Amino acid sequence: QSVLTQPPSVSGAPGQRVTISCTGSSSNIGAGYSVHWYQQLPGTAPKLLIYVNINRPSGIPDRFSGSQSGTSASLAISGLQAEDEADYYCQSYDTSLRGWVFGGGTKLTVL
Amino acid sequence: QVHLRESGPGLVKPSETLSLTCTVSGGSISTTSYYWDWIRQPPGKALEWIASIYSSGNTYYSLSLKGRVTISVDMSKSQFSLRLNSVTAADTAVYYCARHPQGQYYFDSWGQGALVTVSS
Repeated sequence: QSVLTQPPSVSGAPGQRVTISCTGSSSNIGAGYSVHWYQQLPGTAPKLLIYVNINRPSGIPDRFSGSQSGTSASLAISGLQAEDEADYYCQSYDTSLRGWVFGGGTKLTVL
Repeated sequence: QVHLRESGPGLVKPSETLSLTCTVSGGSISTTSYYWDWIRQPPGKALEWIASIYSSGNTYYSLSLKGRVTISVDMSKSQFSLRLNSVTAADTAVYYCARHPQGQYYFDSWGQGALVTVSS
């Protein structure tokens, strides 16, 4: 049971837009700690996709966007491409656990 | 561009100690700009943060693993290490080394990962 809750899977057709939710609590996202998102392609290490809720590292397409409100956050992917098929993880910091926490991951399938 | 690479035994017996090393290149491990971390991922499961160390030697551990885990740094070799005692099959995972910026809480660079299997 992960501290941050994500849907196990989402899917969409090429060109469509999908969103992935990440729900936390008052000891992490609700305490003001930012949410960060990672993309993990099959068999590879996670890659930072969005940091501090809304920011994209250099090289990440603007098709990827993040938002945060209250104790939740969302990752939106527009103009879906086959190469976007991967696992996506949200991450924050938890004051009760005094450590970094991840969501359970969401598998994105491009139909 | 910093590069991180994990190394260590791929097979450890139950009750023994898992030891991994992360070699940092393309950047200074003694920088005050970053913390250095270990994160693991059991097969088919989610990521789990294990430990973090700063250049000052300050260490931070996951509460669920505290007591079994030690993180250390060797600046002369540009390496940091993980030791996990009394391992069981539940410790079988891909272990990643990573870094996060000082004052921030996200991991901006990751190693490729090293699979460690706990089995007799």
